[in-house]
Amino acid sequence: AQSVSQHNHHVILSEAASLELGCNYSYGGTVNLFWYVQYPGQHLQLLLKYFSGDPLVKGIKGFEAEFIKSKFSFNLRKPSVQWSDTAEYFCAVTLDTDKLIFGTGTRLQVFP
Amino acid sequence: DAGVIQSPRHEVTEMGQEVTLRCKPISGHNSLFWYRQTMMRGLELLIYFNNNVPIDDSGMPEDRFSAKMPNASFSTLKIQPSEPRDSAVYFCASSLGLRGQFGNEQFFGPGTRLTVL
Repeated sequence: AQSVSQHNHHVILSEAASLELGCNYSYGGTVNLFWYVQYPGQHLQLLLKYFSGDPLVKGIKGFEAEFIKSKFSFNLRKPSVQWSDTAEYFCAVTLDTDKLIFGTGTRLQVFP
Repeated sequence: DAGVIQSPRHEVTEMGQEVTLRCKPISGHNSLFWYRQTMMRGLELLIYFNNNVPIDDSGMPEDRFSAKMPNASFSTLKIQPSEPRDSAVYFCASSLGLRGQFGNEQFFGPGTRLTVL
């Protein structure tokens, strides 16, 4: 079955540190890839998405992600995190339907 | 636009009772999704509709769960009878599904936190 793996369950950083959250999926065909963020007490919001074209995708709030097809990966990055980035981050994939398959999420805590 | 609206925001009930969760999608959106979020299992898609028709209900746990979408602006998720293991946050999301295009952005509601005692 198709799946999405997020190996970092909990990440703790200081402000200004660089961030990279891993995401791998298991599917050999064409995929659409997403990163969603859930701030404390809020609903999920889309950070960025990849459908086709440039594998380096830029999203909101300074986030970016790189699609590496050979590695089945779509890692999320930010050069310098802020306290306000404290949230849970979800990688997700759709195949040839609208069904989103989510990873288990990575909880990010940023300390001032 | 008010976004996706869910009610109630919190529900506490006793085992065996019927629970009905409600969702109003964003006006104009034609796809609606119900998700469940738990610590153990993360975010799971329960069912989704396109143009009010259920497309994939493979994530519905068992016969105790049912979902309906009588019109384009309203959907319900019902649990009858409820059990403690149903305790979770239930999210509704909607999207504008364009013909022949998949993976359209989903907009999530604030969720309903369900506690079954």
